[in-house]
Amino acid sequence: SAVISQKPSRDICQRGTSLTIQCQVDSQVTMMFWYRQQPGQSLTLIATANQGSEATYESGFVIDKFPISRPNLTFSTLTVSNMSPEDSSIYLCSVGSSHSTDTQYFGPGTRLTVL
Amino acid sequence: AQTVTQSQPEMSVQEAETVTLSCTYDTSESNYYLFWYKQPPSRQMILVIRQEAYKQQNATENRFSVNFQKAAKSFSLKISDSQLGDTAMYFCAFMKSNFGNEKLTFGTGTRLTIIP
Repeated sequence: SAVISQKPSRDICQRGTSLTIQCQVDSQVTMMFWYRQQPGQSLTLIATANQGSEATYESGFVIDKFPISRPNLTFSTLTVSNMSPEDSSIYLCSVGSSHSTDTQYFGPGTRLTVL
Repeated sequence: AQTVTQSQPEMSVQEAETVTLSCTYDTSESNYYLFWYKQPPSRQMILVIRQEAYKQQNATENRFSVNFQKAAKSFSLKISDSQLGDTAMYFCAFMKSNFGNEKLTFGTGTRLTIIP
């Protein structure tokens, strides 16, 4: 399985500011995924990041609010822009298996609190 | 579009007992995978078990096993000899087949508490 790290693990931010979350994988992967988990809720996909192309966003999520970079096959960033308290969530990145099995593995998540 | 339904928001069971978590899904896909993920308070999403839809045999991983009923679109998780460390949120998830390059669709989760 892939080893995935995320930075920061948690942060407390003021409304109107932006935070960039980093996701690093120990192997090259095609797709990286960013999910949001609002308090007490399930996971919802924000966008899919493919290296060398623009991210694909799910309905309800826009690039201006959640810009994503994918500069290489082991790294991605998600920025939460112009934050409001409603953005307080856990943000998780995941990757597909680098082998032929259909499995996804998750990073440890970033707990964001917006005041 | 796929949907995943978990009808049990919370469950509790005595330590060492067996518990079954329910999950149903809806899809028009023929090739897909189903998963159970565990999320303890540490918030790390941990893969518990995985089932390929084309396999009739139910997946097992030590104390964890599934009852996969493809025609009924049902995918329940059985935890045998439950342990305190099994206390967590459990999410059922669906993924189309594409070498892991498809998104996961999650159910709403079941909060499982193991009572000492």
